[in-house]
Amino acid sequence: DQQVKQNSPSLSVQEGRISILNCDYTNSMFDYFLWYKKYPAEGPTFLISISSIKDKNEDGRFTVFLNKSAKHLSLHIVPSQPGDSAVYFCAASGGATNKLIFGTGTLLAVQP
Amino acid sequence: EAEVAQSPRYKITEKSQAVAFWCDPISGHATLYWYRQILGQGPELLVQFQDESVVDDSQLPKDRFSAERLKGVDSTLKIQPAELGDSAMYLCASSLHRGIQETQYFGPGTRLLVL
Repeated sequence: DQQVKQNSPSLSVQEGRISILNCDYTNSMFDYFLWYKKYPAEGPTFLISISSIKDKNEDGRFTVFLNKSAKHLSLHIVPSQPGDSAVYFCAASGGATNKLIFGTGTLLAVQP
Repeated sequence: EAEVAQSPRYKITEKSQAVAFWCDPISGHATLYWYRQILGQGPELLVQFQDESVVDDSQLPKDRFSAERLKGVDSTLKIQPAELGDSAMYLCASSLHRGIQETQYFGPGTRLLVL
């Protein structure tokens, strides 16, 4: 039973355009959501997070939106740059533990 | 910028051999995590330490895996004996506290190949 789902295995966008990565979750106990970026042969790098008490959090070119009623979050990257090409993981935690549950990742390719 | 350190970065071993991975968390971080990432999947938690104590090892295959954090700082994850299915990336992460909504910071990982 996959509690965090990233249904798009890959996404390709043009440099300068918006990249939108999506994530769905099933566990209503999740109250903290994070996005990580991962290059091949490296560990995940923290990008941005959002608490369930908010519906939007912004950091530079990255914005995360949370729709609790739909159990859906998205990461917007504007403008997209070739250096953004990587695998993006959505992760969630909640309840009495800080254990992260990860999605399967979305491979973003930003074309010059 | 403080980082999580891991070694080795790559390890090739034969099945039935023993392997060990080392992790040094960000200085001052009380909570340390070991995750395993199989190709094409997201990381999955193996074990979580708060200082020197294990707080969650429910997904650790205890017949062959062991983990310790004796002085509450660095940690070692061991596999004995290794099996073909253990081939994966082993990631260490740390967070400042154990509390809720704490961001976890990851090291570069150890890629294990079992032949």
